[in-house]
Amino acid sequence: DADVTQTPRNRITKTGKRIMLECSQTKGHDRMYWYRQDPGLGLRLIYYSFDVKDINKGEISDGYSVSRQAQAKFSLSLESAIPNQTALYFCATSPSGGALARFFGPGTRLTVL
Amino acid sequence: AQSVTQLDSQVPVFEEAPVELRCNYSSSVSVYLFWYVQYPNQGLQLLLKYLSGSTLVKGINGFEAEFNKSQTSFHLRKPSVHISDTAEYFCAVSAQTGANNLFFGTGTRLTVIP
Repeated sequence: DADVTQTPRNRITKTGKRIMLECSQTKGHDRMYWYRQDPGLGLRLIYYSFDVKDINKGEISDGYSVSRQAQAKFSLSLESAIPNQTALYFCATSPSGGALARFFGPGTRLTVL
Repeated sequence: AQSVTQLDSQVPVFEEAPVELRCNYSSSVSVYLFWYVQYPNQGLQLLLKYLSGSTLVKGINGFEAEFNKSQTSFHLRKPSVHISDTAEYFCAVSAQTGANNLFFGTGTRLTVIP
């Protein structure tokens, strides 16, 4: 079984709709992240959480919100989706301390029409 | 903050030929460096990382990278590529202290030609 899972894997929605992307992990890591990937732009950090009570904005948090429901679960919400939020979204985890290599989920492809 | 520049967006190479994917970073503090690979329709996987010590780092699938502090580079190499190496490769940098946020380059698409 995958260590980091994301649901859904693909989603098509309309402008103005509220969307939630979910991430679960079985790695036991404290730290979780949401990234978006756009062609030619690499990965950009949206939000990150170092534990259940800690939420931090990343480079591009506008238009997004997150919820850390448990150590193993970290959800990303788009309150009112817009077309330029069409992208590939990745959840990642890392252990506390040390060099923070990330362990990535398989991604969610979101299309906003 | 840190930043990464991957100079080549696409690198085509024939099967069994050597390849080098270039990565330069910018930082005012000491860093950790990483290379990730993304196969089609998959998430990113860690190929290798430089934390400290030997500047030549060996990773999975026969890849290696060399940390060059004076040139602020961390180029990825493989002496003989296979079709299965076709993927996108991302270089990433993180400060050794503080929040340790990871900053990614824009990626290099490696295409291995039979």
